[in-house]
This record gives sequence, C-alpha cells and structure tokens, in this order.
Amino acid sequence: DAGITQSPRHKVTETGTPVTLRCHQTENHRYMYWYRQDPGHGLRLIHYSYGVKDTDKGEVSDGYSVSRSKTEDFLLTLESATSSQTSVYFCAVGSPYNEQFFGPGTRLTVL
Amino acid sequence: SQELEQSPQSLIVQEGKNLTINCTSSKTLYGLYWYKQKYGEGLIFLMMLQKGGEEKSHEKITAKLDEKKQQSSLHITASQPSHAGIYLCGAAGGGGKLIFGQGTELSVKP
Repeated sequence: DAGITQSPRHKVTETGTPVTLRCHQTENHRYMYWYRQDPGHGLRLIHYSYGVKDTDKGEVSDGYSVSRSKTEDFLLTLESATSSQTSVYFCAVGSPYNEQFFGPGTRLTVL
Repeated sequence: SQELEQSPQSLIVQEGKNLTINCTSSKTLYGLYWYKQKYGEGLIFLMMLQKGGEEKSHEKITAKLDEKKQQSSLHITASQPSHAGIYLCGAAGGGGKLIFGQGTELSVKP
C-alpha cells in the first residue's frame, strides 16, 4: 500500500476556519495527488505535486492550496472552509503512467 | 483537457449474472487503470492496460482496451456479493495529472 497515511481521518469544522490535511508516504514516490470524492462526481483532482516544492493545479483547485517541503509529506490547506468543501479527501502517490496507491481518506464536514 | 466517461453510473445485478462497465476517453489513452472502492474505504488497484487490444484478467474480472485506445471495458463473470462497490477508471491526463471517471456503483443482490 506504499505506506500512505492521511491525518486526520475525520474532521468537523466550522465555516470560515482554516483546515490542513496531511498526506504522508514512506516509499519516496515523486508524484503525489489530492482528490476529493463526492457522489456522482467520482474522484476530482484538486492539486498534485511532481517533486519537492513543485506543484500544480487540478480541475477543482479554487479555495485550496498545497505545499510539499519534503518528499514524504503533501499538505492540503483549505484557507477558509466552506460547506461546499464537505467531502471525502483522498491522497494518492505514484507515477501517472503506472500503478497509483491511495490513502484511506479523510472525511471532512464543514458546518 | 482529457475526460473519462463511465457507463452505466449505477448497476444492480442478481448474484451469478455477468455485467460490463465501460469507460470512454475524449482522447487517446496512454495508460488506463481500473480501481475498485468499497464503501467508505480507499481505492484498490485492479488492472492497468497500455496497449491497443490488450486484455487482462484477475479472477472473474476481465478488462480490455480497444484497438484505438479510446475505450475500455470491465467485465465481471458470475458476479458475487464481494464484487459490490464502486468501480473507477483512471488515466494519465497529461502534464503529470491523473484523472478519473465519475465511477460506476455496483450492487449485487444475493
């Protein structure tokens, strides 16, 4: 499973508060991804990273920022959480041209 | 940008029946992945297809990539309750991106 952990696994927060989700890997993968999963939408890419300090936007990046200061950690920050960001967030690692490995997910509820 | 369209969006089958899920790309595929997700859990890698006409099998699940590399199908033979879940196709979307279809929710009735 590429040693992927996500923290926290569950979080309830209030509208307007900042939230940071962490993805940690132990296998030294270059590529890391953040997705959100909502009913009827499958997995939608938020941001991805192709190396330390190298990141790019996905299809639903508005309201989210990321940072990758170390190979093993990829942080996703909701600057000011909104109810529309209530979702399940998945981190993935691995090349886009080979098998990818997914974390267990973080369930975020914004009240 | 590349998009993946899955059909059907949901499927209910009787145990023992065969079924097929399709994944169509708006552009040529240079790698197509199938994943399964159990409710509330992460994704499990099933298979990867790269060559036109390629076919792979794992237990009772067979996946094919068409010759033009724009469509893939996932076929389950003699479905079982353990096959229930969400099936997603994914592909390299260019520029290091990884994109997915919207998923197909499969229910298998005993």
